[in-house]
Amino acid sequence: DADVTQTPRNRITKTGKRIMLECSQTKGHDRMYWYRQDPGLGLRLIYYSFDVKDINKGEISDGYSVSRQAQAKFSLSLESAIPNQTALYFCATSDTGLYEQFFGPGTRLTVL
Amino acid sequence: AQSVTQPDIHITVSEGASLELRCNYSYGATPYLFWYVQSPGQGLQLLLKYFSGDTLVQGIKGFEAEFKRSQSSFNLRKPSVHWSDAAEYFCAVGEISNFGNEKLTFGTGTRLTIIP
Repeated sequence: DADVTQTPRNRITKTGKRIMLECSQTKGHDRMYWYRQDPGLGLRLIYYSFDVKDINKGEISDGYSVSRQAQAKFSLSLESAIPNQTALYFCATSDTGLYEQFFGPGTRLTVL
Repeated sequence: AQSVTQPDIHITVSEGASLELRCNYSYGATPYLFWYVQSPGQGLQLLLKYFSGDTLVQGIKGFEAEFKRSQSSFNLRKPSVHWSDAAEYFCAVGEISNFGNEKLTFGTGTRLTIIP
């Protein structure tokens, strides 16, 4: 079983809809991250969390919110989706004192 | 602020030929540098990382990278590529604290195509 899972893997939604992307991990890591990947722009950090009570904005947090429900779960929400939020979204985890981040398989989101 | 530049958007290499992917970084302190690979339809996998010490770093799948402080570079190399190496490659610099890797800043990626 994968250590970092993301659901759904693909989602098509309409402008103005609320959508939630979920990330779960079995690695026991404290730190979790949400990235967005766009062609030609690489990965950009949306939000990150160092533990359940610690949430931090990344470089492109506008239009997004997150919830850290437990050590193992970190959800990303788009309250009112817009077409330029069409992208590939990745969740990643890391542990305190480690330097490697472990990535999920990604969620491809299309906003029409 | 830290930044990473990958000047080559797309590289095409013949199978069996050597490969070098370029990465330049900007960071005020000693950089923590990473190369990740993204195979089609998959997430990112760490190839190798540099923190300190020997400037030539060995990674998985036969890849290596050399840290050159004077050139602010961390280029990825492989002596002989295989068709399975076709993927997108990302260089990243880590913002490290006493508690570990706080954040990664990624380059824009280099797509590698392998021709027979």
